[in-house]
Amino acid sequence: GDQVEQSPSALSLHEGTDSALRCNFTTTMRSVQWFRQNSRGSLISLFYLASGTKENGRLKSAFDSKERRYSTLHIRDAQLEDSGTYFCAAGRGFASALTFGSGTKVIVLP
Amino acid sequence: NAGVIQTPRHKVTGKGQEATLWCEPISGHSAVFWYRQTIVQGLEFLTYFRNQAPIDDSGMPKERFSAQMPNQSHSTLKIQSTQPQDSAVYLCASSSDWGGSYEQYFGPGTRLTVL
Repeated sequence: GDQVEQSPSALSLHEGTDSALRCNFTTTMRSVQWFRQNSRGSLISLFYLASGTKENGRLKSAFDSKERRYSTLHIRDAQLEDSGTYFCAAGRGFASALTFGSGTKVIVLP
Repeated sequence: NAGVIQTPRHKVTGKGQEATLWCEPISGHSAVFWYRQTIVQGLEFLTYFRNQAPIDDSGMPKERFSAQMPNQSHSTLKIQSTQPQDSAVYLCASSSDWGGSYEQYFGPGTRLTVL
């Protein structure tokens, strides 16, 4: 089946630094969505992209518009509240079921 | 906007018992999705409805699992004869499908524990 390969699986970074997460798709995907799962287990949507880039505060995401085979999430000036597990998920159609990556556990250190 | 509502938040059943999980999507959303999350398998798609019609149940185990959406305000996931391997967090999501965005919004999940 469709696979979403997410890297790295874990990431520690100090406050104020930048980092990037990546998801590769084994097949062409139409859309990608990024989530952060907090300590209570809630999945919070960060971005939905069908193409291009989106930015929200210190977070920015991009979706490869040509081949639609990967997406990235950049964290700029990391803060303690950015800690959590980040998931990417991709859909074969714009309104279809999502296939999730295995997650990146991010720890921001003071 | 209360977001996606899932009840109960926690459910414990004995092996062989039935479990029914409820989901209330965001008002006005036309699509409802069910997923489950385990440590071993991660997040897996189960099934989804659009305008109350079943669209894709390719992730549903063929036996014991069923899902329904009798009206636009709620969906249920029923597991018959629960087994320990059914223990997971079951997540419901909804999306609106208009404005060009099909962003899925997730509920808090129901943690099912089968003893």
